[in-house]
Amino acid sequence: DAGVTQSPTHLIKTRGQHVTLRCSPISGHKSVSWYQQVLGQGPQFIFQYYEKEERGRGNFPDRFSARQFPNYSSELNVNALLLGDSALYLCASSPQGLAKNIQYFGAGTRLSVL
Amino acid sequence: LAKTTQPISMDSYEGQEVNITCSHNNIATNDYITWYQQFPSQGPRFIIQGYKTKVTNEVASLFIPADRKSSTLSLPRVSLSDTAVYYCLVNTNDYKLSFGAGTTVTVRA
Repeated sequence: DAGVTQSPTHLIKTRGQHVTLRCSPISGHKSVSWYQQVLGQGPQFIFQYYEKEERGRGNFPDRFSARQFPNYSSELNVNALLLGDSALYLCASSPQGLAKNIQYFGAGTRLSVL
Repeated sequence: LAKTTQPISMDSYEGQEVNITCSHNNIATNDYITWYQQFPSQGPRFIIQGYKTKVTNEVASLFIPADRKSSTLSLPRVSLSDTAVYYCLVNTNDYKLSFGAGTTVTVRA
């Protein structure tokens, strides 16, 4: 079975632009979470979607938004990019999205903002 | 939310056993202890999870004392490919994983 897939793998944008990152969860998983990982730090929680509804949001500005589609895939959108948005963006899926359940991560999208 | 404390880095040699201790003094009754491994430019990967006593799988062992205020991840006979960052997390019925800085384990030949 395919794991969590993310696209694109790498992306270069300039300040002020908008970006859309995509994630396909493992088949049968209804929960998708997004994390931002800045170099040298652990991943930081951005959003979780479960059954197409937002279950929770981390401490990120409104420039960050996400949605989940009927097939449980998800998009993360970031508007008005800042240099500080440069990071590895990780998507994780799980059957129910509970933290005590195993979360399966994709390889991430490396975003560079110039 | 229980906070975890683990060493920033550890060095080892191939074939040795590596033990990483994580402190979680404020762990709650419903909390589980979970460890993830992360290689550069990859997403974290689940290693092991436990609630109390000892858990063992094909990759590692997790030792949890009776008071559950700490836990130790044991990696037997490490190889160069075990060089990675290891994260200790304490999870409740919450939906988000709270990662700290992790422990960078470097295995040398």
